[in-house]
Amino acid sequence: NAGVTQTPKFRVLKTGQSMTLLCAQDMNHEYMYWYRQDPGMGLRLIHYSVGEGTTAKGEVPDGYNVSRLKKQNFLLGLESAAPSQTSVYFCASSYRTAYYSNQPQHFGDGTRLSIL
Amino acid sequence: AQKITQTQPGMFVQEKEAVTLDCTYDTSDPSYGLFWYKQPSSGEMIFLIYQGSYDQQNATEGRYSLNFQKARKSANLVISASQLGDSAMYFCAMAGSQGNLIFGKGTKLSVKP
Repeated sequence: NAGVTQTPKFRVLKTGQSMTLLCAQDMNHEYMYWYRQDPGMGLRLIHYSVGEGTTAKGEVPDGYNVSRLKKQNFLLGLESAAPSQTSVYFCASSYRTAYYSNQPQHFGDGTRLSIL
Repeated sequence: AQKITQTQPGMFVQEKEAVTLDCTYDTSDPSYGLFWYKQPSSGEMIFLIYQGSYDQQNATEGRYSLNFQKARKSANLVISASQLGDSAMYFCAMAGSQGNLIFGKGTKLSVKP
């Protein structure tokens, strides 16, 4: 019963390097989200997807790109990493949007990313 | 725009006592949902409880209950009979227009033995 799986769990990058964070869910959820968590800031939405092949910008999308080629996977890319992107990244998924539903979002365990 | 405010950066409670974590919200939507999540030191986000704006009764889930006061726009989490394992960050959240969750900054709860 995996739920939402994020890989990798930890990563250290140098400024300017690129990488992709992978999120996989096995609950057949339509909605998937990428958040970042910074100290004292709570979680903020980066990008989200309402279904396979769709993506949209959230509150803090600059410097990130996403893709949802398969329903179960949601990828977050950093093309040229910057120290300001040092954060903990969470992926979440839900069957329905939180706006119309009492069904909670299910979160992965997070990816701790440091940019030097 | 929706907004969640948690004014208590940190709270202490004695083991076995009850504690209330404050949450106020702002929204112009007539219908909305409020969520509470727990984040232990290990980092994962654990869903605790949900309250719908039109629910007739305050939500309860085991030792967790939600003190929902619609007129005051508050949705405080009450944890009864605190346990050492309740020590964690607690986040209040509400549904945003993009289907996401809008989170408060959290309250760090420490349970003392």
